Amino acid sequence: SQELEQSPQSLIVQEGKNLTINCTSSKTLYGLYWYKQKYGEGLIFLMMLQKGGEEKSHEKITAKLDEKKQQSSLHITASQPSHAGIYLCGAVPKMEYGNKLVFGAGTILRVKS
Amino acid sequence: ETGVTQTPRHLVMGMTNKKSLKCEQHLGHNAMYWYKQSAKKPLELMFVYSLEERVENNSVPSRFSPECPNSSHLFLHLHTLQPEDSALYLCASSNTGVREKLFFGSGTQLSVL
Repeated sequence: SQELEQSPQSLIVQEGKNLTINCTSSKTLYGLYWYKQKYGEGLIFLMMLQKGGEEKSHEKITAKLDEKKQQSSLHITASQPSHAGIYLCGAVPKMEYGNKLVFGAGTILRVKS
Repeated sequence: ETGVTQTPRHLVMGMTNKKSLKCEQHLGHNAMYWYKQSAKKPLELMFVYSLEERVENNSVPSRFSPECPNSSHLFLHLHTLQPEDSALYLCASSNTGVREKLFFGSGTQLSVL
């Protein structure tokens, strides 16, 4: 079965600093999703990457997909307290499974003011 | 507001109780999902319904019983649960098809005493 490993497990950054979260898959990626979660709440969709080399941005968050490395990175520029939360990557195990996502364990982000 | 509503938000039950979790989506989707999120573990896909038929059951114990009466509603019936079943239970919906993004509810935080 496919597994997603996220690193780091948690990090604390000073407001205004940049940071990167990585997601590495044990198998071929057929689409990589990034979600954000506030503690004890549901997941909010950030963006989805489908092709190797693809890069997407939303406000100050940029995600890239390296298909060969079976890896994706999420980069936040000039972090703000509103960026705090849990970031989860999700992937589709196989082409025919459609959107039955498997998820990583998440990265907890705290932003100090 | 993601268009997916879960009730109740919090639930405390004894091991001999019977309770139900409810999920309703207002997005016109035709696939619905139950996920379990335990502390420091990846989200676990429990059940998937597509066009009101169950298409996935990931070896979930029979004390969890899903029901999908129509494409907008999903239930998770609980009976004789164990303390290790305490977790955040998340409902999601999507369109069917390859790589459709999932929309999540806010979850039900379940505590089994």
